Amino acid sequence: GAVVSQHPSRVICKSGTSVKIECRSLDFQATTMFWYRQFPKQSLMLMATSNEGSKATYEQGVEKDKFLINHASLTLSTLTVTSAHPEDSSFYICSATSRGAQETQYFGPGTRLLVL
Amino acid sequence: QKEVEQNSGPLSVPEGAIASLNCTYSDRGSQSFFWYRQYSGKSPELIMSIYSNGDKEDGRFTAQLNKASQYVSLLIRDSQPSDSATYLCAVTPSGGYNKLIFGAGTRLAVHP
Repeated sequence: GAVVSQHPSRVICKSGTSVKIECRSLDFQATTMFWYRQFPKQSLMLMATSNEGSKATYEQGVEKDKFLINHASLTLSTLTVTSAHPEDSSFYICSATSRGAQETQYFGPGTRLLVL
Repeated sequence: QKEVEQNSGPLSVPEGAIASLNCTYSDRGSQSFFWYRQYSGKSPELIMSIYSNGDKEDGRFTAQLNKASQYVSLLIRDSQPSDSATYLCAVTPSGGYNKLIFGAGTRLAVHP
């Protein structure tokens, strides 16, 4: 149980384009989903927290107009990197919590983004 | 900024030995603590959670928590080369939020 998927697993795009990443909880309803970014040899940095049906809460320093988050259902959240630039190249990972265990986060496999 | 600190390592142990990973946190009000394992190029996977002082054992893994000292550790018995990974300590901040604050991780290398 507690399986989280992400799609795509890897994406290469040109500078200036937008990229959408999907995060799905496959066998549970995710009350909250989290989006992290991880640069090489660094730890996970929380970008934003999203609850189904409400606006995401962004961490300090994260541009909400650049990183659009939509949590349209209890099993799906999307992160759109708008007007991507090379410095946005990173490993983006989502996680989700369920109603019964709201402090335990289960992570998706991650999406590796390369912006040329 | 509420912090979680870990020694970056690498911690090198021989196969079969006990690996001891340590973590300290600054937020005295934190109540929930987690250990995740992350293989290179992969996302973190949950190993253990611990919420009360003392030891919690799960197979070869034992988590230890001391809230007075703001210290949490992970022991891995009978270490295997497949245990070689980065181990992330994560703590929930006080204030009732369910987000996690991660340490930078300790890289463990188990050599045959």
